[in-house]
Formats: sequence, structure tokens, C-alpha cells
Amino acid sequence: DGGITQSPKYLFRKEGQNVTLSCEQNLNHDAMYWYRQDPGQGLRLIYYSQIVNDFQKGDIAEGYSVSREKKESFPLTVTSAQKNPTAFYLCASSIGGTKDIQYFGAGTRLSVL
Amino acid sequence: GENVEQHPSTLSVQEGDSAVIKCTYSDSASNYFPWYKQELGKRPQLIIDIRSNVGEKKDQRIAVTLNKTAKHFSLHITETQPEDSAVYFCAARAAGNKLTFGGGTRVLVKP
Repeated sequence: DGGITQSPKYLFRKEGQNVTLSCEQNLNHDAMYWYRQDPGQGLRLIYYSQIVNDFQKGDIAEGYSVSREKKESFPLTVTSAQKNPTAFYLCASSIGGTKDIQYFGAGTRLSVL
Repeated sequence: GENVEQHPSTLSVQEGDSAVIKCTYSDSASNYFPWYKQELGKRPQLIIDIRSNVGEKKDQRIAVTLNKTAKHFSLHITETQPEDSAVYFCAARAAGNKLTFGGGTRVLVKP
């Protein structure tokens, strides 16, 4: 464990509220990713960033936003536009380029009050 | 985009037997295929991976095979042990560094 830190471990969102999930890595990795995992399902890509100050939408970006102002940080905001936010959110990072092994954080479990 | 299908969704085996999980992918340009193990409530961890220039790779009791023509790859676990019980995910990488994951296989090893 270690290298990629997600916080908080548990998060509760009220109706109409935006919440931000933190992801920090000290691996000096260029690329970072956010995935959503629903019970009994695989991981779906929300957003990814190959380099600082640049990011791309994944397969399910609607209702989410990200920023990549620092190499080590890639926060994810779940906006009020995301109507079904309850899920397990996983952040990952990789060296980048052709070095494609992704390492995961411990995850944040988001629930709606 | 890439689509990855994984079968079976659940797999129950007796301790000591072998387990096989199969995945198919749709994008012939995919060139990297990792397998992750996720224990209950924990983060996915890479257990083995294979690249498109290799047909088979083995690491102790775990092996992965790749058939590029048929666009499928498989995970083989031999001499299963109770600690092998977990959810296993396959994935495929096509454009950029985007991984597309399969739906997962819940493996239960019965003592």
C-alpha cells in the first residue's frame, strides 16, 4: 500500500450538493485516472489525465469534473448533475507514455443522504 | 471504442483445482492486457499482464494466454488456495493509455 492516497474513505452527499474526492500520488507518475465501480460490476473510466494541465473525458464523464493543476494531484468533483452518484470511486496512476501499468488507490465510497 | 466481455461472472472451485477466466475484446489495435485481483473492500492489484507480441506468460501458479486472431485472452490459476478467493478483472488497452475493464469474475475457493 501507499503511493496513491485517496480521501476521504467514506463520503456522504446531500441532494443538490457538489462533493470533491481527493487523489494524491507521490510516485512521480505523469498519468492519473478516475474510475467508478458499482456493486458487482467492472470499473468504468470517468476522466483521465496524461499530463499536468490536461485531461480527457472517459466513458461516463457526465456529472463529473476534474482538474490537474499539479502532477501529484487529480481531484474529482461529483456535481449535482450526477443523479446516481452512489458508488465506489477509484483513482489510479501510471508512469505514462508506453509504461501502462496502473496502480490504484484504496478508494472512496460515496453515498447519498 | 473498446469493449471487453468477461466470463464467467462467478466461479466456485475446490481447493487444489484449477480456475480459468476468459475475456474477449473488440478492438484489434489493443496491445496490452492486464489482470487485476480485488479482495473485498480493497483496491485492485495487478497480478499479471501480457502484451500483444507474446502468446503466453506465467508467474508461479498464474498464467495468461493471448489469442490475437480470435481476440481473446484467459487467466489460469492452478492449485487454487483459499487466499485466491477474490474478484478478478481483465482489461484491454487500445488508444492512448485508456484501459477498458471486463465486468469481473468472483472466484470462491472452497476448502
